Amino acid sequence: DTAVSQTPKYLVTQMGNDKSIKCEQNLGHDTMYWYKQDSKKFLKIMFSYNNKELIINETVPNRFSPKSPDKAHLNLHINSLELGDSAVYFCASRQAGKNIQYFGAGTRLSVL
Amino acid sequence: QQQVKQSPQSLIVQKGGISIINCAYENTAFDYFPWYQQFPGKGPALLIAIRPDVSEKKEGRFTISFNKSAKQFSLHIMDSQPGDSATYFCAASIIQAGTALIFGKGTTLSVSS
Repeated sequence: DTAVSQTPKYLVTQMGNDKSIKCEQNLGHDTMYWYKQDSKKFLKIMFSYNNKELIINETVPNRFSPKSPDKAHLNLHINSLELGDSAVYFCASRQAGKNIQYFGAGTRLSVL
Repeated sequence: QQQVKQSPQSLIVQKGGISIINCAYENTAFDYFPWYQQFPGKGPALLIAIRPDVSEKKEGRFTISFNKSAKQFSLHIMDSQPGDSATYFCAASIIQAGTALIFGKGTTLSVSS
């Protein structure tokens, strides 16, 4: 039973399109994250979110927006996709008071 | 500004050898230092972590050494095995603030048999 699941695993789309990546965690965690891993494998935080606060990395373009319908889900919406958005996007979650972050398997986004 | 610097970028070790990966951080407010292991096509998974109040933590073949005054920490993999071949990331965060992990740039480890 996967703890943090992301869909789709692969996403190929054209420049200018709008797309969403879904993330669900069944761990009962309070905080969820989105990270971007570029072609050089560098992992960088995009968003941190719990039911009270959204923290946005200031370098993330406002074309990216997280949406949380409930505590177990944090989806990532991307508008007007650009070539530079091609990367692997990871969702992660953490329980308040605990340090460990659990990562999903990632979504590889390719913008053509 | 890169807050966590990791070296080397890649590492080739013979089976049975010791793999050593080093990291340095800048923000003295960091109080949690994990190492994550990532296999191709998978998400990062926690390998071992340390708090700054201890200088060393060992779990099986994996050991973290921590030097608070130098703001450095390292991962040692003893008796390296081909199955250890993966990308390793050091990271840092501030626990109470619930902040996200700040990752180093990763080290690709290849263990040859």
